[in-house]
Amino acid sequence: DAKTTQPPSMDCAEGRAANLPCNHSTISGNEYVYWYRQIHSQGPQYIIHGLKNNETNEMASLIITEDRKSSTLILPHATLRDTAVYYCIVNTNAGKSTFGDGTTLTVKP
Amino acid sequence: DADVTQTPRNRITKTGKRIMLECSQTKGHDRMYWYRQDPGLGLRLIYYSFDVKDINKGEISDGYSVSRQAQAKFSLSLESAIPNQTALYFCATSDASLSGANVLTFGAGSRLTVL
Repeated sequence: DAKTTQPPSMDCAEGRAANLPCNHSTISGNEYVYWYRQIHSQGPQYIIHGLKNNETNEMASLIITEDRKSSTLILPHATLRDTAVYYCIVNTNAGKSTFGDGTTLTVKP
Repeated sequence: DADVTQTPRNRITKTGKRIMLECSQTKGHDRMYWYRQDPGLGLRLIYYSFDVKDINKGEISDGYSVSRQAQAKFSLSLESAIPNQTALYFCATSDASLSGANVLTFGAGSRLTVL
């Protein structure tokens, strides 16, 4: 499974968009990009996933570059409750999901 | 009730003791996983199972064993616990989606302290 690189931490003002980047330059054609988040020490929560196209759901948007070597998770209007560690992972349907250390997002008032 | 239930939620034990962490799920998923998380770090995969007769080692399987008793149950055992196995343990499940995606659903975690 491809490895991912994320910045260790980011800040965002409450009410503004949070844009979390992820590099996955070794991604293969059948690997999906997934985003999860973990609030405090709770179980990670699924946010969104995509293969090639940009995706949007009620929680976030996922923008994947055309070459698929990087992606951005967008939280359109961040709230204090979005403060969490965000994990970007890539794998195939047959693969095992490998988590890096993620990005700690702090939403500030 | 939670889709993925882990028991116990907290456990303190002594070095050398045998410990079992249990995971049960009501999602009907074929795939189950055990992860370990140390403070400030990401999750590391211990073992995973894609069906009842399938068991696979993950990144850090040494010192651990698992049992897939049924589709809905996947247990993690520490045969002889040691202090550096003190960590937060997560169980997860996923479905072999026809779309090719493999979305994980996590339990609430089991905090284990080995003295």
